[in-house]
Amino acid sequence: EAGVTQFPSHSVIEKGQTVTLRCDPISGHDNLYWYRRVMGKEIKFLLHFVKESKQDESGMPNNRFLAERTGGTYSTLKVQPAELEDSGVYFCASSPTWGPDNEQFFGPGTRLTVL
Amino acid sequence: DQQVKQNSPSLSVQEGRISILNCDYTNSMFDYFLWYKKYPAEGPTFLISISSIKDKNEDGRFTVFLNKSAKHLSLHIVPSQPGDSAVYFCVESGATNKLIFGTGTLLAVQP
Repeated sequence: EAGVTQFPSHSVIEKGQTVTLRCDPISGHDNLYWYRRVMGKEIKFLLHFVKESKQDESGMPNNRFLAERTGGTYSTLKVQPAELEDSGVYFCASSPTWGPDNEQFFGPGTRLTVL
Repeated sequence: DQQVKQNSPSLSVQEGRISILNCDYTNSMFDYFLWYKKYPAEGPTFLISISSIKDKNEDGRFTVFLNKSAKHLSLHIVPSQPGDSAVYFCVESGATNKLIFGTGTLLAVQP
């Protein structure tokens, strides 16, 4: 069974540009999450999809970030325009069901560098 | 304000000895505590969890202890192996399904 995949693995852009990150969850997983780790700090939750619906987007830092999951399969996270403080590693995770004891399976992350 | 605190950024132990990773939390409302392990260039992977109604959970070489009165969690690995060298994250999970991560502890197991 394929794990969570993310594309690209690395992205280097200039301040003010747009970047789109993609996540393909494990097949059949209705729940998809985005997290990020910036500046060596802790990994922080961004948002949670259940199928194509945003269940919780309380962690989205501002309106420069837009997440979508059309059709309830893969998801994209767009940053427009990118700022220096957006640099970090963006992780995607998925899980088959909902619940606090439900294991979330993480992808390898996309390392974003904003110059 | 950091809800999950891992005060030791790194820990070094000898192969075969016990590794003890510690974690303190501030919010008592969470249902589960989890430990995730992360190797370089990979995403975190689930290791072990404990319900807030329990004080111990064991899975092979890994045991997690929960002291609710002290708001303290610890992960014991015994015996430690070189392949255990990784960053370990203490994580809270609640009804909202989002995970709250600590800053992580880098464990190095020396052969």
